[in-house]
Amino acid sequence: EAQVTQNPRYLITVTGKKLTVTCSQNMNHEYMSWYRQDPGLGLRQIYYSMNVEVTDKGDVPEGYKVSRKEKRNFPLILESPSPNQTSLYFCASSLSRGGLAGVGEQYFGPGTRLTVT
Amino acid sequence: DQQVKQNSPSLSVQEGRISILNCDYTNSMFDYFLWYKKYPAEGPTFLISISSIKDKNEDGRFTVFLNKSAKHLSLHIVPSQPGDSAVYFCAASGSNYQLIWGAGTKLIIKP
Repeated sequence: EAQVTQNPRYLITVTGKKLTVTCSQNMNHEYMSWYRQDPGLGLRQIYYSMNVEVTDKGDVPEGYKVSRKEKRNFPLILESPSPNQTSLYFCASSLSRGGLAGVGEQYFGPGTRLTVT
Repeated sequence: DQQVKQNSPSLSVQEGRISILNCDYTNSMFDYFLWYKKYPAEGPTFLISISSIKDKNEDGRFTVFLNKSAKHLSLHIVPSQPGDSAVYFCAASGSNYQLIWGAGTKLIIKP
């Protein structure tokens, strides 16, 4: 079954304790991305990756790191989490650009709800 | 500065009638637009898209209209069904690989 998986689904942690949220896709997609969803703000892109070893900042990259060592995996790292990073996080992947340009239709994981106290 | 705006946080429509969800954008460099649907506790799922060379794209009950001069797009759902109750996001993309999202509109289909 084609899917994007994220782990963990729920995480409560304390300020400053490093954490990693894993993301994996089994569709051989080149493009992967991380978003955070906050009330009234929709989805905001944190980082994206166009292929292995190619990553770039989205709209809200501060406080986050990513790596893309393998095509299927795109972990999100919070080196020193803070309460303002409490949010719902989604990982997504897509095959290629769509239309004239762009990232095409993306497949999303189920989300990771992170609470930082 | 929100480049993609969905000004209606929620919309209530009678089952069987037409649902119209609206989206405005400010960046004239956007050339590809997508609609996603999201149920609670799930990730968004792709619904329909349109490129800037078109003004309409249809897929079953879903039609997206694009008015480039007004920088406006809309999603029409006809007829609306109870399973359409969800949050709908509009997203836009330009020549880079970023996707800019609206805040979403919660659609409620009343029986």
